[in-house]
Amino acid sequence: QKEVEQNSGPLSVPEGAIASLNCTYSDRGSQSFFWYRQYSGKSPELIMFIYSNGDKEDGRFTAQLNKASQYVSLLIRDSQPSDSATYLCAAEFGNQFYFGTGTSLTVIP
Amino acid sequence: DAGVIQSPRHEVTEMGQEVTLRCKPISGHDYLFWYRQTMMRGLELLIYFNNNVPIDDSGMPEDRFSAKMPNASFSTLKIQPSEPRDSAVYFCASLTDSTDTQYFGPGTRLTVL
Repeated sequence: QKEVEQNSGPLSVPEGAIASLNCTYSDRGSQSFFWYRQYSGKSPELIMFIYSNGDKEDGRFTAQLNKASQYVSLLIRDSQPSDSATYLCAAEFGNQFYFGTGTSLTVIP
Repeated sequence: DAGVIQSPRHEVTEMGQEVTLRCKPISGHDYLFWYRQTMMRGLELLIYFNNNVPIDDSGMPEDRFSAKMPNASFSTLKIQPSEPRDSAVYFCASLTDSTDTQYFGPGTRLTVL
């Protein structure tokens, strides 16, 4: 059973703070990992993907992957109220994508 | 490109009725995925196609669900007969190997009374 687990939250951070979202996965065969943002009533939209161990930065977002620990994280720097959403972590295995249940983030102005 | 297109956006039906959800993937994408999202279970993969061929339908909950992809630009997910527990948001997504990135449609919110 391929599972992806996330801390369900809800997570609340003040505006301007760093939000840290975490995800673990069960299948060591997974090679690609994705973070999606989903606003209430909308579809998931891709924020970042990461394939290699280490950090990958894109603007205010940093994805971190540790394959030995089977751990993926997303850091959001200088959090804005517009970042308030549910964040979904996904692991790809053989063209199938396994999603976590999501972490709800609220950024308080 | 218009992105992934789904119809209808909302569907309300009565238990026992047949429901058909439709999806048009992004042109050139050779993979198509159907997902179901509920508060309790999150986003679940139901079935996916590669080049119009169903590859894995192990996520289809039961025989009441069926999916087809008659050509590269159209897919349907059918529920017959529908039950209240089928109420959920159904997403279609497409992907191409060259980018390995899924793009989701806007979803169909299904309510079965």
